[in-house]
Amino acid sequence: EVQLVQSGAEVKKPGESLKISCKGSGYRFTNYWIVWVRQMPGKGLEWMGIIYPGDSDTRYSPSFQGQVTISADKSISTAYLQWSSLKASDTAMYYCARLLGAIAAQQFDYWGQGTLVTVSS
Amino acid sequence: QSVLTQPPSVSGAPGQRVTISCTGSSSNIGAGYDVHWYQQLPGKAPKLLIYGNSNRPSGVPDRFSGSKSGTSASLAITGLQAEDEADYYCQSCDSSLSGSGVFGGGTKLTVL
Repeated sequence: EVQLVQSGAEVKKPGESLKISCKGSGYRFTNYWIVWVRQMPGKGLEWMGIIYPGDSDTRYSPSFQGQVTISADKSISTAYLQWSSLKASDTAMYYCARLLGAIAAQQFDYWGQGTLVTVSS
Repeated sequence: QSVLTQPPSVSGAPGQRVTISCTGSSSNIGAGYDVHWYQQLPGKAPKLLIYGNSNRPSGVPDRFSGSKSGTSASLAITGLQAEDEADYYCQSCDSSLSGSGVFGGGTKLTVL
């Protein structure tokens, strides 16, 4: 069974760093792109960036380029989303999802349960 | 503003048919990229509902259907049921955004 299991909720202060994770199982992790999606409170889905764990090829939405870093450790089938200096506006639910097919297909067939990040002083 | 435009809300009575539109441009839907639809129940992660414009994953009822024409796509739900009340998002790829994926702003479906 394909599963993406994300790390637990985080409460951080502005300026702090954070790295959240997404662990894949039930499939060959290195063969599928993983995307990160933001959902701010009461708002819609936003495509942040995507990584191919096989070779760590990473693409970012222009809106998120330079704001976050996406990485992966294929030895433990885990993708990461990290911030070096959080802002209150980073408060959101973050989802990872698996891309089925080529990157232009943009079809996400399995999703993690989400990680709630709260940034507050 | 989202790159793909959806109505903020639609509603219908049980048993009725509703449609949700998704309007894009020549750099995304009009460029030939596939459109996918996701259903997000309250407090849950999104779920793939329609892929490749009009295909249903295994387990999705045939009450849900998708279509695409030109720079737009639409999701139709027939025989509305109370459990269909959710947020619905369209999604595609956009060549003007370095090939990034893009989502519509989402549509809240209310079953009256």
